[in-house]
Amino acid sequence: AQKVTQAQTEISVVEKEDVTLDCVYETRDTTYYLFWYKQPPSGELVFLIRRNSFDEQNEISGRYSWNFQKSTSSFNFTITASQVVDSAVYFCALDLANSGGYQKVTFGIGTKLQVIP
Amino acid sequence: NAGVMQNPRHLVRRRGQEARLRCSPMKGHSHVYWYRQLPEEGLKFMVYLQKENIIDESGMPKERFSAEFPKEGPSILRIQQVVRGDSAAYFCASSPPVGGPISNEQFFGPGTRLTVL
Repeated sequence: AQKVTQAQTEISVVEKEDVTLDCVYETRDTTYYLFWYKQPPSGELVFLIRRNSFDEQNEISGRYSWNFQKSTSSFNFTITASQVVDSAVYFCALDLANSGGYQKVTFGIGTKLQVIP
Repeated sequence: NAGVMQNPRHLVRRRGQEARLRCSPMKGHSHVYWYRQLPEEGLKFMVYLQKENIIDESGMPKERFSAEFPKEGPSILRIQQVVRGDSAAYFCASSPPVGGPISNEQFFGPGTRLTVL
């Protein structure tokens, strides 16, 4: 069985601070995919990133960066110079590339980020 | 290319009534997934469907819930005799056909927020 743990339920930071959202996952599979989604107050889900288990390179996209470490089963997300618009719930998710050829994504409970002006 | 459409966006039902949630996948997508997000929780997989077939319903409650994806028209998630505990956001996602171990991104709809009075 797979599991995603986001230990931080709520984080508050002051605007322009950096913030890291933690994600730890569990799976026995060797091939899997990790995701981050953003859910703003309006409620929709916004896709941020997908990484496969064979690619441990860190990724940077503007103020967003991701640190994938298989050794610790972690896929942490850092927002640099946070802005009020970053306030949202952020979900980490895991998808196994099962033999059925379809996705069955397991989500973490989410981390609510509040950026204070 | 329109994204995944869900309607209604908000649905209010009284206990004992039926709720019908609709999902139109992205053009060209033949796979539909339904997820439920209970208040203050992450999304939980409910069911995966292809056209006219239920492939995996391991996350569906055993009673009162059903899903279909007919040859023509949207996918429907149907909840009979709703109870207060059914109040949640229901998200639909679609993806194109998946081949081999590759996981394609799931494209999420905006969700339907069901409130049971």
